[in-house]
Amino acid sequence: ELKVEQNPLFLSMQEGKNYTIYCNYSTTSDRLYWYRQDPGKSLESLFVLLSNGAVKQEGRLMASLDTKARLSTLHITAAVHDLSATYFCAVDAQGGSEKLVFGKGTKLTVNP
Amino acid sequence: NAGVMQNPRHLVRRRGQEARLRCSPMKGHSHVYWYRQLPEEGLKFMVYLQKENIIDESGMPKERFSAEFPKEGPSILRIQQVVRGDSAAYFCASSRDRANVLTFGAGSRLTVL
Repeated sequence: ELKVEQNPLFLSMQEGKNYTIYCNYSTTSDRLYWYRQDPGKSLESLFVLLSNGAVKQEGRLMASLDTKARLSTLHITAAVHDLSATYFCAVDAQGGSEKLVFGKGTKLTVNP
Repeated sequence: NAGVMQNPRHLVRRRGQEARLRCSPMKGHSHVYWYRQLPEEGLKFMVYLQKENIIDESGMPKERFSAEFPKEGPSILRIQQVVRGDSAAYFCASSRDRANVLTFGAGSRLTVL
């Protein structure tokens, strides 16, 4: 059974600092997703990572994938308050996107 | 493009009542997925449907839960005889094809008193 673990689960950081969220998964998978969720809202797709060594960047967020280590990272550069949210990684369990297995999420708070 | 539309956004039921949650996929999307999110948890897969067919219901509880996606109209997730443990946010997502990125709706938050 595929398991997805994120750490840390809670992250409080100051504006301007850098930090990394980690996502480990237990079995081979074709694709890995990062989502953002604001309180009471839906999930917003941030990145889809499809191959070993994939790196994608959008603004202050950069995601990477190491399929051999079964590890993805979400790196935050020079955090700003607007990045405060919960970030989820999700792994495709079956080679199609219908059965994503989500981590528990990392609740990020960026303080002024 | 209105996105994935879910209603109701909030639903309160007493134990033993029925809950019906509706989901209209994005225009042009024929694949619908339901996920459940318990407080402080990630989303858990429940069921995957295409028009008039249940493709994968391996995440659905065996009793009281059912889902459909009729030829006309929205997909419906039905929970009979609700219990307090059913209190959660239920998210619907859709995609154009099986391997596409999912687009999530805003969720339906069920509270069972």
